[in-house]
Amino acid sequence: GAVVSQHPSRVICKSGTSVKIECRSLDFQATTMFWYRQFPKKSLMLMATSNEGSKATYEQGVEKDKFLINHASLTLSTLTVTSAHPEDSSFYICSARVDRAGGYTFGSGTRLTVV
Amino acid sequence: AQTVTQSQPEMSVQEAETVTLSCTYDTSESDYYLFWYKQPPSRQMILVIRQEAYKQQNATENRFSVNFQKAAKSFSLKISDSQLGDAAMYFCAYRRTNTGNQFYFGTGTSLTVIP
Repeated sequence: GAVVSQHPSRVICKSGTSVKIECRSLDFQATTMFWYRQFPKKSLMLMATSNEGSKATYEQGVEKDKFLINHASLTLSTLTVTSAHPEDSSFYICSARVDRAGGYTFGSGTRLTVV
Repeated sequence: AQTVTQSQPEMSVQEAETVTLSCTYDTSESDYYLFWYKQPPSRQMILVIRQEAYKQQNATENRFSVNFQKAAKSFSLKISDSQLGDAAMYFCAYRRTNTGNQFYFGTGTSLTVIP
């Protein structure tokens, strides 16, 4: 089946530094990817929608200058958390549309801890 | 706006027994998709079952089945012959049929399976 590979699975960084999270579609072309954030024991909240070759669309309340999304190719989307702060610590998950029938697949998530 | 409500934060079931997880949603659309996703401790989102709103027949996947009541905007998940591996967080989700649209997730139900 269609797989989205998300890396890293865990990352610890210092406050003020930037962290990049990658999502790669391994056996299909992902024209659209979604980035979600999940707080402990909470639901997934959409942060932004990225479309290949164009600017990402951010949800209300999400700082686009803090959470930089790049979708430069049909198989790779990246989320960069810039100038990270402890409150950015969370679980981040990407998702991509697999087929026209509405099938979607999720990455395995990234646990970000900012110290 | 679309909202998805899961009124049961936690549920438990005896191994081999049956359990039903509740989900209601709100939408003004006539055609859409509904999903149940499982998130085990690994945090990987796993699709359990999917229902197209235009289909009257309830979806079934082995031990998992849904009771889709479109007029009532209800979409419950029944797990039969519960197994220890079914223990996880279960999220109900809604998505419009237009391609590229995001998921709207409920707040989740934590299912414990008692040996």
